Amino acid sequence: SQQGEEDPQALSIQEGENATMNCSYKTSINNLQWYRQNSGRGLVHLILIRSNEREKHSGRLRVTLDTSKKSSSLLITASRAADTASYFCATEETSGSRLTFGEGTQLTVNP
Amino acid sequence: EPEVTQTPSHQVTQMGQEVILRCVPISNHLYFYWYRQILGQKVEFLVSFYNNEISEKSEIFDDQFSVERPDGSNFTLKIRSTKLEDSAMYFCASLVYTEAFFGQGTRLTVV
Repeated sequence: SQQGEEDPQALSIQEGENATMNCSYKTSINNLQWYRQNSGRGLVHLILIRSNEREKHSGRLRVTLDTSKKSSSLLITASRAADTASYFCATEETSGSRLTFGEGTQLTVNP
Repeated sequence: EPEVTQTPSHQVTQMGQEVILRCVPISNHLYFYWYRQILGQKVEFLVSFYNNEISEKSEIFDDQFSVERPDGSNFTLKIRSTKLEDSAMYFCASLVYTEAFFGQGTRLTVV
């Protein structure tokens, strides 16, 4: 398996429901970031959580980080059809180093 | 809001031809990156650039690839002799502190 694996690979929910995506990684990290990508478009930075943080919130997003399990979760509350996109986690091992992306979760929010 | 811009948005080229992908990073950023994403796959790191030199490169970034910052603002990725398997979205990113800002990408199609 590879650094930055997300599960599930695909998630389909109804508008208003919460969506939870998980990410696992293998090495020690400086931070973990979540990105969103609409089909065929660029990557939009959503949220960053540092290795010494356990939870972070930004609007309807909640990210947790468990460095002992090398895992993170992204929760989107009260989902909207416009949240339909692919979501990727990416880890940075040291400051300024490459980002290592996971396989991504394709989220579909049905109206 | 400052953004990373990439040109062209889409490039079609014949196998064996040279291509240059262009990026204008955010002006006060210090680290610059190229990533690629083959259709349906995850985002892969190619190269990072800091202080006018390559700071890290992946195994993908072989002798066919090169990067330059020709005029202190633009950041280019050159592929000398394109192969069919070079077809992908190529993303430029720049970073200051911890958040990497990505451009919208150049879709390269090698025929």
